[in-house]
Amino acid sequence: SAVISQKPSRDICQRGTSLTIQCQVDSQVTMMFWYRQQPGQSLTLIATANQGSEATYESGFVIDKFPISRPNLTFSTLTVSNMSPEDSSIYLCSAGYNEQFFGPGTRLTVL
Amino acid sequence: AQKVTQAQTEISVVEKEDVTLDCVYETRDTTYYLFWYKQPPSGELVFLIRRNSFDEQNEISGRYSWNFQKSTSSFNFTITASQVVDSAVYFCALSEAGGSEKLVFGKGTKLTVNP
Repeated sequence: SAVISQKPSRDICQRGTSLTIQCQVDSQVTMMFWYRQQPGQSLTLIATANQGSEATYESGFVIDKFPISRPNLTFSTLTVSNMSPEDSSIYLCSAGYNEQFFGPGTRLTVL
Repeated sequence: AQKVTQAQTEISVVEKEDVTLDCVYETRDTTYYLFWYKQPPSGELVFLIRRNSFDEQNEISGRYSWNFQKSTSSFNFTITASQVVDSAVYFCALSEAGGSEKLVFGKGTKLTVNP
């Protein structure tokens, strides 16, 4: 199994600012994933992050709004840019072989 | 396109009752994986099970059991003798190929177990 940590666990941000979320895995993984869970909703994939290449974004998500870095096989960051209240969500990263494990999530509130 | 349907939005039971959470999926792939996750009120997503498309054997783990039927494209989850600690949102999810691919989630079923 993979143990995944995220920082920060929660944050309250002002409209128009940006927040970078970090995700650390305790073992090397090929792919890492970033999901968004809006209040009371299910999880939606934002993008897939492969080491050494650009992230692959799902429909409705763009790199300018959600830039992702993947500098090595155990770490990734997601930035939520130019935030608005609609970005208030839980952001989760995941990784793993076979069983896909999730980090504890980052609860973001945008005022 | 892949799709997961959890028709039950909310279920409420009394402790010690058995409860079944339904999951119906759609995919054109012959190789795929099905998952169940639990999300308690604290918010973390807890992995429960992964099942590949070639293994239709039912699985039992303690009070939890899963029934996979390819003929009806269903992967249902049963909790026997439910407990208050089972109260959570349960998500069914689907992925293609090797299981380390991206997940498509159902909308989730909120289970409340009352004492």
